[in-house]
Amino acid sequence: GENVEQHPSTLSVQEGDSAVIKCTYSDSASNYFPWYKQELGKRPQLIIDIRSNVGEKKDQRIAVTLNKTAKHFSLHITETQPEDSAVYFCAASTVFGNEKLTFGTGTRLTIIP
Amino acid sequence: DAGVIQSPRHEVTEMGQEVTLRCKPISGHNSLFWYRQTMMRGLELLIYFNNNVPIDDSGMPEDRFSAKMPNASFSTLKIQPSEPRDSAVYFCASSPTGVGKNIQYFGAGTRLSVL
Repeated sequence: GENVEQHPSTLSVQEGDSAVIKCTYSDSASNYFPWYKQELGKRPQLIIDIRSNVGEKKDQRIAVTLNKTAKHFSLHITETQPEDSAVYFCAASTVFGNEKLTFGTGTRLTIIP
Repeated sequence: DAGVIQSPRHEVTEMGQEVTLRCKPISGHNSLFWYRQTMMRGLELLIYFNNNVPIDDSGMPEDRFSAKMPNASFSTLKIQPSEPRDSAVYFCASSPTGVGKNIQYFGAGTRLSVL
């Protein structure tokens, strides 16, 4: 089955700086890669996703890049703000067929004011 | 839509008791997922249903856990008998089915404490 590794497990950045979280996956058949944000005591919520037919996707201050050859994808947050502090999870699955998401272990991002 | 609705939000029980967690998916969503979240093990998929049929239950930890989906708008996760190591936050999520529709929407979760 699919295995998703996520690094780092914790990350602290100064407000205004950029943050990068990286994930690798094992199953070459995976073609859908979402990122979820979970604030303290809240539910995970989708913030951005990418499908394997594109290499990069942006939404305001967040972007995701995908390298299919190396089987890794990354989340980039620019101009970080205190409200970006949360745990971020990457995941992988296939668009066709099995809808099961395999999640990474999470990254706790802390923005230092 | 009110989103995925889970009940109860908090449950405190004693070891050996039966616990039933409930979930109402978003109307029109065909897939439903049960997850368990702990600090040690992160977010684990327990089981998922498609059109009310269990598709993958490989994450169910042991026979003490069971899940049902009697209709498209309701699912339960039961633990009998409960043990202290079952203490965790249990999330239910639903998603529409079809090509390009993998997005999962999570409920607010049930925080279970087994004493």
